[in-house]
Amino acid sequence: DIKMTQSPSSMYASLGERVTITCKASQDINSYLSWFQQKPGKSPKTLIYRANRLVDGVPSRFSGSGSGQDYSLTISSLEYEDMGIYYCLQYDEFPRTFGGGTKLEIK
Amino acid sequence: QVQLKESGPGLVAPSQSLSITCTVSGFSLTSYDISWIRQPPGKGLEWLGVIWTGGGTNYNSAFMSRLSISKDNSKSQVFLKMNSLQTDDTAIYYCVREGTGALFAYWGQGTLVTVSA
Repeated sequence: DIKMTQSPSSMYASLGERVTITCKASQDINSYLSWFQQKPGKSPKTLIYRANRLVDGVPSRFSGSGSGQDYSLTISSLEYEDMGIYYCLQYDEFPRTFGGGTKLEIK
Repeated sequence: QVQLKESGPGLVAPSQSLSITCTVSGFSLTSYDISWIRQPPGKGLEWLGVIWTGGGTNYNSAFMSRLSISKDNSKSQVFLKMNSLQTDDTAIYYCVREGTGALFAYWGQGTLVTVSA
């Protein structure tokens, strides 16, 4: 199985700050990577797919980048509503595997 | 609009089996694959398996011996059955519609299953 190592596991950031979360796959996943945001008591919401494609309706302050084994999610200017837990997912191979999550809190 | 809704038993005794139904609307199961994903309370996400439009399946090998996914296209329902439940199977179970762009674009609200005597 492909292991997805996500970092940091938790972080505090200030409003307006640029935030970056990273995900490293145990092998090349050919950009088959998605990012999700989950808020308390809610189902996850897809932000990014194919490493860098923004889902319709997701604010443009979110962006994804990376290739091979290394990927990142960036929030260009943190807003209060961005609090939550973020997960990466690889879907290059079965079983699909998620990163462990990053809990993002406002400082 | 696209909707998925899980319905499950809530509480299952250890060593018993679990059955969850996912009822979908706004699309046809003959056009979209459905995955099952679970999330233990306060923990991360775990992919369980997928049923494809044609009825074929792929399971996470960690669950292959005790997991079964099936569907009834005419009733717009997908079924998850898991045997020999233990306390660490306590989780929210989600059904999720797969897509050609964003893979997991549509999620159900999830159903909490607690394994306890």
